[in-house]
Amino acid sequence: KAGVTQTPRYLIKTRGQQVTLSCSPISGHRSVSWYQQTPGQGLQFLFEYFSETQRNKGNFPGRFSGRQFSNSRSEMNVSTLELGDSALYLCASSDQQETQYFGPGTRLLVL
Amino acid sequence: GENVEQHPSTLSVQEGDSAVIKCTYSDSASNYFPWYKQELGKRPQLIIDIRSNVGEKKDQRIAVTLNKTAKHFSLHITETQPEDSAVYFCAARSGGGADGLTFGKGTHLIIQP
Repeated sequence: KAGVTQTPRYLIKTRGQQVTLSCSPISGHRSVSWYQQTPGQGLQFLFEYFSETQRNKGNFPGRFSGRQFSNSRSEMNVSTLELGDSALYLCASSDQQETQYFGPGTRLLVL
Repeated sequence: GENVEQHPSTLSVQEGDSAVIKCTYSDSASNYFPWYKQELGKRPQLIIDIRSNVGEKKDQRIAVTLNKTAKHFSLHITETQPEDSAVYFCAARSGGGADGLTFGKGTHLIIQP
């Protein structure tokens, strides 16, 4: 099976702009989780989607949002970008055993 | 919510020796504990996981132990090799899955030739 894919891989934005990141899970996986990875804070959970519904949410401001489509592909959106949003954004898809498999990530740089 | 502490932050061992990384968690409802390896510039890759109904699990040179009473779990790598050099993350997930995976801050494992 093909692994988790994410697009784009790299992104440069300026403060105040918004950005949309995309994640395609492993075929057959219905759960997609998003994480933010930074050198200072490590890996932090953003949210999880299952069958097009947000099931869980981490402790991030409302500027961070997401959605999932009927084919399980997911997008996350960050509005009004801040310098501190510069990070590697990882998505992970899960099988029924809860095992999470990560994508390669999208590296976002906010200038 | 869950809190995961991981130690040490950096571990340097001689090639061929064993390495042990330890994590503690706070939520007694957590029942799933994966370990991920992340090489520089690459995605985290699952190397082993354990569920709360099991005390130990092995996969070749890698083993994980879980002590539910003390709320800690450890990763053991034996006969370390240069390709084991990476950052290792432990994580925990509560039974209800309420907060996703909570990760430790990571351990940078360095294998000295």
